[in-house]
Amino acid sequence: GAGVSQSPSNKVTEKGKDVELRCDPISGHTALYWYRQSLGQGLEFLIYFQGNSAPDKSGLPSDRFSAERTGGSVSTLTIQRTQQEDSAVYLCARDPGGETYEQYFGPGTRLTVT
Amino acid sequence: GDSVTQMEGPVTLSEEAFLTINCTYTATGYPSLFWYVQYPGEGLQLLLKATKADDKGSNKGFEATYRKETTSFHLEKGSVQVSDSAVYFCALMNNNAGNMLTFGGGTRLMVKP
Repeated sequence: GAGVSQSPSNKVTEKGKDVELRCDPISGHTALYWYRQSLGQGLEFLIYFQGNSAPDKSGLPSDRFSAERTGGSVSTLTIQRTQQEDSAVYLCARDPGGETYEQYFGPGTRLTVT
Repeated sequence: GDSVTQMEGPVTLSEEAFLTINCTYTATGYPSLFWYVQYPGEGLQLLLKATKADDKGSNKGFEATYRKETTSFHLEKGSVQVSDSAVYFCALMNNNAGNMLTFGGGTRLMVKP
């Protein structure tokens, strides 16, 4: 596989609730990216981590979205007070580094806000 | 900002037909270019890439050439199969800007027997 696992695979939540999405790349010390795939917006970048730092948070849609990474490995994307427009597939990708410029995607978490 | 434009689908072809999916980009600097594929019910997979002008990426019979003069990276395959039915995404990575991918809108390919 791509060496990235994500959980849960599906999440249905009520509007206004908080959700946490998890990404676990196979090896710890790589760059890690979050993207969102939705019908209206296509595939869009959210945030990336180099180690535990997030140099670029420019893609986060609002301050309801936050993310962290600990130990240079697992990352969690948190959405507070979910809205229906947050419904999408959230994808995580790892970049093994070096100069391959390749990203390997996990299977995604399908979030449905009712 | 950076952007990628690709032809809208769906593209419907008969088996063994020739495939072209057009992709053009706008970016500062010298981006790397990619084609990703998403088969039904599966995750996004890297299909091929090119990291500099005139490079040709190829995989599974698919090819794309990085044309800086026309800012294009069109995907081609000489003879498509039913198993090629999927959604194809063109993307760029601006190596001066954090290496995040900017994607086109995706093109759905349907190949009929």
